[in-house]
Formats: sequence, C-alpha cells, structure tokens
Amino acid sequence: AQSVAQPEDQVNVAEGNPLTVKCTYSVSGNPYLFWYVQYPNRGLQFLLKYITGDNLVKGSYGFEAEFNKSQTSFHLKKPSALVSDSALYFCAVRDDYNNNDMRFGAGTRLTVKP
Amino acid sequence: NAGVTQTPKFQVLKTGQSMTLQCAQDMNHEYMSWYRQDPGMGLRLIHYSVGAGITDQGEVPNGYNVSRSTTEDFPLRLLSAAPSQTSVYFCASRDSGSGELFFGEGSRLTVL
Repeated sequence: AQSVAQPEDQVNVAEGNPLTVKCTYSVSGNPYLFWYVQYPNRGLQFLLKYITGDNLVKGSYGFEAEFNKSQTSFHLKKPSALVSDSALYFCAVRDDYNNNDMRFGAGTRLTVKP
Repeated sequence: NAGVTQTPKFQVLKTGQSMTLQCAQDMNHEYMSWYRQDPGMGLRLIHYSVGAGITDQGEVPNGYNVSRSTTEDFPLRLLSAAPSQTSVYFCASRDSGSGELFFGEGSRLTVL
C-alpha cells in the first residue's frame, strides 16, 4: 500500500525566512501528491497538488512544492514565512492502482516566530 | 455555502455504547470518506464510498460501520464503543475533477 513519511514533527522558522516542510512517499503506481494545512480545531484545507506535468507546483498562500521522482519526495516550500503560516501541515498520497485510498503523513507542526 | 457538515462536534460515550456520527455534503460529490486523527499518526482512512450503495474498507475499519443510501449522506456508526476509539473524526468528500478533498470541521469523540 502507499505510504507517506514526514520526518520532522516540528519545524521552527523566523518570519521572513524561507521554510521547507519535508515529505517522502512510497507508491506502487504513479503518485498523486497533496499538501493540506490544518489550523487549530478546524478541518484540513487543500494547499496544492501534483498529478502530472511540471515538477514545481504552486498553490495557495504563496506555497509551492517540488516533485522529485528519483528521491520520491514532495517537499513544501515558501520563500518568506509569515507568522500566520503557523499550523499543522500534512502530506498525502494516492496512486493510480487504488485511486480511492488516500494516505496521510503524521503531520509537521510549523511555527513561525516574529 | 455549507460544504461538508459533521455532527456532533463533541461526544462522550461509555464503553459499550453505540452512536452514529453524521456527515452531509452539498457539493454532489460521489466520493466520501471517514478518517480518524490521532496524535503522531496523522489521518487514517476508516471507510470510504464511491457512490450511493457502494462502500469499502480503508486502513482501520474494525469497530466501525458505514452505509451510503444517498449521495449527500455518509454516517459512521460505532456499534460498541471502546476507549481505543477516542479520537477526532473527519468526514471528507472529493471533487472528481480536481481530486481535492473537502473536509468537515471534525467530531471529537471520547470513550470512557
């Protein structure tokens, strides 16, 4: 079955600095990759996705992610972090063998300090 | 603009009790799913449905039942609650075009 690993439980950055939240995946077929964000006591919200095409994907709120097939990674990035970016971030994957089974990582808590 | 609506938001049960978590969506999505969220484990898929009358098991289905009689509704039933089912439960529906999941606000369940 497909799986996702987010190796960092916590990422701390200063406001204005670039941020990276790491994600690696494992699938049998072709991956469909997603990033979601969760604010306190809320459901998850979609940020961006990679299905096919350009390896650099741009999403909501200035976030982007780079698909790297050889490293099976899909790291989330932002050039300049904001305090309001502080939240819990989830990477997720499904593949074209089982399009209905989306697997999520354990989540990475991003804290941006002023 | 309701999206995905879950009820109740909070529930406390005693071991052995039964209950149903309700989920409704107004986006005409065929695909719906239930996840549980536990600290350090992310979201784990319990059950999903690809349309009315069709359900299937996810990663952690034991102790849970689902049914899908209409496109809009996808209730999750706990027949005999156990403390291990203490969790936050999320319902989601999927846009077939974009593949994006839309989540409800969550239901926090405590089993004593």
